[in-house]
Amino acid sequence: GQNIDQPTEMTATEGAIVQINCTYQTSGFNGLFWYQQHAGEAPTFLSYNVLDGLEEKGRFSSFLSRSKGYSYLLLKELQMKDSASYLCATPRGYSTLTFGKGTMLLVSP
Amino acid sequence: DTGVSQNPRHKITKRGQNVTFRCDPISEHNRLYWYRQTLGQGPEFLTYFQNEAQLEKSRLLSDRFSAERPKGSFSTLEIQRTEQGDSAMYLCASSLGAGTADTQYFGPGTRLTVL
Repeated sequence: GQNIDQPTEMTATEGAIVQINCTYQTSGFNGLFWYQQHAGEAPTFLSYNVLDGLEEKGRFSSFLSRSKGYSYLLLKELQMKDSASYLCATPRGYSTLTFGKGTMLLVSP
Repeated sequence: DTGVSQNPRHKITKRGQNVTFRCDPISEHNRLYWYRQTLGQGPEFLTYFQNEAQLEKSRLLSDRFSAERPKGSFSTLEIQRTEQGDSAMYLCASSLGAGTADTQYFGPGTRLTVL
């Protein structure tokens, strides 16, 4: 089976850096996805990691440690529009995704 | 707009009625997925198609739920005899299906409210 844990809620201020952690347990590992979801909208793809290490994409970076079953999403220079839910997900086989419950990030001025 | 589209965006129905939702995937994508999401939870997998073949169904998908993708393009999800517990956001996603863990792109969802 698959199990994913992430914090329920985090708060940060505009311009700051925030790290959202995700731990997972899977019977077979095929990478880890991060999605962003604004209230009432569809999840949008942020990143996919399959190898250990940090991948940077603009203000967002994602890190993976397969031996620890751990990933994090790093958001720099936070903006108000970054207030959203951040979903960690792992593929089951090559197809369906198992999602965590999401971390609601609130960015304040 | 060439993204995933879903119709309707909102549906309010009375308990016991049947409802049908439609999803139009990104045109070159051969995999299509249905998920359900309730407040404060991540999306939960319901079923997925590779072209017109329905390859997997979740245990969440009771016999009141049926999905089709008749020509390998758009898909429909029907819920018969709706119950209040069916109230949720129903999300559709599509992917290229290139054999690896390819990225799924989501539609805006259909929000179902069962009274």
